Amino acid sequence: KNQVEQSPQSLIILEGKNCTLQCNYTVSPFSNLRWYKQDTGRGPVSLTIMTFSENTKSNGRYTATLDADTKQSSLHITASQLSDSASYICVVSPIIQGAQKLVFGQGTRLTINP
Amino acid sequence: GAGVSQSPRYKVAKRGQDVALRCDPISGHVSLFWYQQALGQGPEFLTYFQNEAQLDKSGLPSDRFFAERPEGSVSTLKIQRTQQEDSAVYLCASSLGVRGGTNYGYTFGSGTRLTVV
Repeated sequence: KNQVEQSPQSLIILEGKNCTLQCNYTVSPFSNLRWYKQDTGRGPVSLTIMTFSENTKSNGRYTATLDADTKQSSLHITASQLSDSASYICVVSPIIQGAQKLVFGQGTRLTINP
Repeated sequence: GAGVSQSPRYKVAKRGQDVALRCDPISGHVSLFWYQQALGQGPEFLTYFQNEAQLDKSGLPSDRFFAERPEGSVSTLKIQRTQQEDSAVYLCASSLGVRGGTNYGYTFGSGTRLTVV
């Protein structure tokens, strides 16, 4: 079972609409949870970073939430644009002595149609 | 440099051939990571360096995979006797490291897409 699971696997919405992507994780304890955007053929780019004590973090039209009790996070995208078409990856950084591994979800493939 | 640079961007190798993938991290970044990303999947950890020391290589799938960072800057991931299941995007990331329990941000390169035929 993956330690970080995302849903949906893929999503198609019209330009201008809002959407919410989900992330459930079992990694515990963890130091932070990140959301990355990965355009096709590019490396992941960080959108938000939240520690376990934070509930929400915004970056422009992107808002991430974190519920450490239920081990769930979401990424809400407002007023979507064509350039938002990408994979969105939830990443958890576990607290492991002397290590800095990131545990990646499989990503949600988002397509914005005009 | 301004970002993490990886070369080559694309590599096609015949099965059994050895390949070497290069990563130039951001200057001054202590930590360097290699990840393997299969098509449609999230990246999976391969190995981690702090300066020139390889502190974790638990993700390397077999002894055909070898990584080095001899001077604590540029890193090379070498795959010997490539097989078709090695086909993937290999991502490199660098980070300032960990201070006071805080993980600093990671910057990823664009990756090397390896296709083994």
